[in-house]
Amino acid sequence: QKEVEQDPGPLSVPEGAIVSLNCTYSNSAFQYFMWYRQYSRKGPELLMYTYSSGNKEDGRFTAQVDKSSKYISLFIRDSQPSDSATYLCAIKGGGSYIPTFGRGTSLIVHP
Amino acid sequence: GAGVSQSPSNKVTEKGKDVELRCDPISGHTALYWYRQSLGQGLEFLIYFQGNSAPDKSGLPSDRFSAERTGGSVSTLTIQRTQQEDSAVYLCASSSRQGEDTEAFFGQGTRLTVV
Repeated sequence: QKEVEQDPGPLSVPEGAIVSLNCTYSNSAFQYFMWYRQYSRKGPELLMYTYSSGNKEDGRFTAQVDKSSKYISLFIRDSQPSDSATYLCAIKGGGSYIPTFGRGTSLIVHP
Repeated sequence: GAGVSQSPSNKVTEKGKDVELRCDPISGHTALYWYRQSLGQGLEFLIYFQGNSAPDKSGLPSDRFSAERTGGSVSTLTIQRTQQEDSAVYLCASSSRQGEDTEAFFGQGTRLTVV
């Protein structure tokens, strides 16, 4: 079992939809949870960074962590075509400074 | 520079040749990571440098892969006797310091194609 599991998609939604992206992880020692966005032929850029359980909101984006279920989510409200990209979850902690990444989910928002 | 810079952006090489990939981290960042991203795959950790400490090489897939970081700044990833399965995007990232709560900033990557 991989440390971080993420459905690669693609996930195709109409403009304005609410998008839910998810990852599961296996190591309960993980404490820091990140979401990166990667446009085609670009490097990943950090979107959201959360510590421990709970929600964090930034504009149209909400990151949610459920440590009891080892489940993290990224919600995108009022999705736009410019949100079309690959979204990667990344997790670290338990004494390691090296982020472990999921495979990434390809999101397509069509007009 | 303002961000992490990688060169070259694209590299096509013949099987069996050696290649060197360069990473210039953000000025002042002490931590540096190399990852590999194959088509449709996530980021595979390769190696981690932090200051003057010995690097964490646990992700290097074979002894054909090596990396160094000179003067705590620029890093070079070397792949010897390249194979077709080495074709991937090689990404470099840096962080301002060591710690579980630091964020990593990525470069644009080097797209390596072995023919």
